[in-house]
Amino acid sequence: EPEVTQTPSHQVTQMGQEVILRCVPISNHLYFYWYRQILGQKVEFLVSFYNNEISEKSEIFDDQFSVERPDGSNFTLKIRSTKLEDSAMYFCASSEYRVKGNTIYFGEGSWLTVV
Amino acid sequence: GENVEQHPSTLSVQEGDSAVIKCTYSDSASNYFPWYKQELGKRPQLIIDIRSNVGEKKDQRIAVTLNKTAKHFSLHITETQPEDSAVYFCAATHTGTASKLTFGTGTRLQVTL
Repeated sequence: EPEVTQTPSHQVTQMGQEVILRCVPISNHLYFYWYRQILGQKVEFLVSFYNNEISEKSEIFDDQFSVERPDGSNFTLKIRSTKLEDSAMYFCASSEYRVKGNTIYFGEGSWLTVV
Repeated sequence: GENVEQHPSTLSVQEGDSAVIKCTYSDSASNYFPWYKQELGKRPQLIIDIRSNVGEKKDQRIAVTLNKTAKHFSLHITETQPEDSAVYFCAATHTGTASKLTFGTGTRLQVTL
């Protein structure tokens, strides 16, 4: 079964540094997402991306964050000037359609620890 | 925006018993309600979903019911097994205008022997 893959699985970074989390969505999917889950809390939506642009973003997704699809397969989340409160599991996800189906498949996550 | 409430936050049942997890949503326009199971340190995995044009859906030991009038939906797991132990999240969205999922706060299910 096709899967969303993410790298790295775990990253430790110093406060103020920039991190890039990478994702390879399922190949025939058109919609891509980033969600975040702070330890012990619920999964929170960050941003959705379609046709090479952001289609929706949450209030969490401020100027510190950006997303990019640099080539035909990768989808990245960049976090600039990381803060302690950015420590969380970041899940990439993808779906085939927005209107039809809309089953969203999650990757295994990238655990970010900011120290 | 959408807000999803989920209860209970923890649930302990004996193996073989049934478990029920309930969610309510606020946006009457929401029309798609998936349930995800998340094992410790793992990704959320879709276990069942329901759309607003049906009231109930079943897949082997799991079933989901939807009451659009009351804006609540429930997950039912029968004949629970130890491997059902995990955190379960409900979610809601409107597939026509948004693709983001709004998640509930999760239910930690513990199935004891």
